[in-house]
Amino acid sequence: GPKVLQIPSHQIIDMGQMVTLNCDPVSNHLYFYWYKQILGQQMEFLVNFYNGKVMEKSKLFKDQFSVERPDGSYFTLKIQPTALEDSAVYFCASSWGLGGAAETLYFGSGTRLTVL
Amino acid sequence: GEQVEQRPPHLSVREGDSAVITCTYTDPNSYYFFWYKQEPGASLQLLMKVFSSTEINEGQGFTVLLNKKDKRLSLNLTAAHPGDSAAYFCAVRPLKNYNQGKLIFGQGTKLSIKP
Repeated sequence: GPKVLQIPSHQIIDMGQMVTLNCDPVSNHLYFYWYKQILGQQMEFLVNFYNGKVMEKSKLFKDQFSVERPDGSYFTLKIQPTALEDSAVYFCASSWGLGGAAETLYFGSGTRLTVL
Repeated sequence: GEQVEQRPPHLSVREGDSAVITCTYTDPNSYYFFWYKQEPGASLQLLMKVFSSTEINEGQGFTVLLNKKDKRLSLNLTAAHPGDSAAYFCAVRPLKNYNQGKLIFGQGTKLSIKP
């Protein structure tokens, strides 16, 4: 089936540093998402993105977070500066459209971020 | 807002036995429901997408039941085999988020199949 690739699978950084998580979505998809899963908890919606803009973000999407997809390349989540509570697994997803059959989200395998 | 509770968090069954994972949700207007399977180190794999009008959905080796009255979604694996060992997640798409593409996930169930 359609594949979403996330790079890297693990990242360890010191608190206060910047980190960029990369996602290679399904090639003809137009909508992109980030979800966050703290260990032992539910996966929670962070943000969705379409046509170069954030459509909706949750309260978990702090001011230190930003997303972009420059020139149709990787869809990225940047955290600057990082905090201890940002340690989690971050899942990227993409869908062809919104509503009905078009809104089927395909997920990557996640990037485990550890902030020390 | 919508809340989704998934049970059990861990489930161990013998090969050949059935396994049932259940999610309850709170928003009666939820209209799309999903089950995802995640093997260790792999992506979430979509098992089935269920529309609110369909109560019984047959997959390969499993059935998804939707009880709208009780707001309950269940994944029933028949004759479990070692390849079914994975984490399973339900997800719900509430109607009021129609234009947002936002899923509300359950907490996940780690299923182990014993030989």
